[in-house]
Amino acid sequence: EIVMTQSPATLSVSPGERATLFCRASQSVRSNLAWYQQKPGQAPRLLIYGASTRATGIPARFSGSGSGTEFTLTISSLQSEDFAVYYCQQYNNWPLTFGGGTKVEIK
Amino acid sequence: EVQLVESGGGLEKPGRSLRLSCEASGFTFGDYAMSWFRQAPGKGLEWVAFIRKKADGGTIDYAASVKGRFTISRDDSKSIAYLQMDSLKTEDTAVYYCVRDSGTYHYFDYWGQGTLVTVSS
Repeated sequence: EIVMTQSPATLSVSPGERATLFCRASQSVRSNLAWYQQKPGQAPRLLIYGASTRATGIPARFSGSGSGTEFTLTISSLQSEDFAVYYCQQYNNWPLTFGGGTKVEIK
Repeated sequence: EVQLVESGGGLEKPGRSLRLSCEASGFTFGDYAMSWFRQAPGKGLEWVAFIRKKADGGTIDYAASVKGRFTISRDDSKSIAYLQMDSLKTEDTAVYYCVRDSGTYHYFDYWGQGTLVTVSS
């Protein structure tokens, strides 16, 4: 099973600032990585797939990069609606696995 | 508009069974693989089960934690996916999400709102 590790667990950021979230895989997942956003009481929402392709309707302030074992999600200028938990998910191998999440909170 | 609506959750005792349903609308159900995920209270996301579309053989995969106890199925004529959960354990307590596979690759573009399953004596 591929283990996905996200860091940091919590990120405190002021509105308008840049946020950088990290996701590491225990073995290569090539570019088969997705990012999801989850707000309290809501289902996850797909943000990024293929490590760097924004899903339909996702604002350009969200960007993903990386391949192999190291990935990054960047939110260029945090808006109030971006404070949430973010998960990475690999789909290169079965079983599908998620990272433990990064909570982006207001500083 | 794509919609996935789960039902069937509730409180059940350890060792008993529950069946979750997921009614889909807004897309051609039979053209997509479907999956179930879960999220224990205050925890992260866990993939549970996956069923491919009939054109891809309708084959199924399960997480190790539920294999042999849970059964995923689909009724394309009704646009419904099911998750039969037998021999429930307290650690199965979670919100269960019905999710649509994106297509060629296994990331997930539409999620239901979830149904809470609580397993407790």
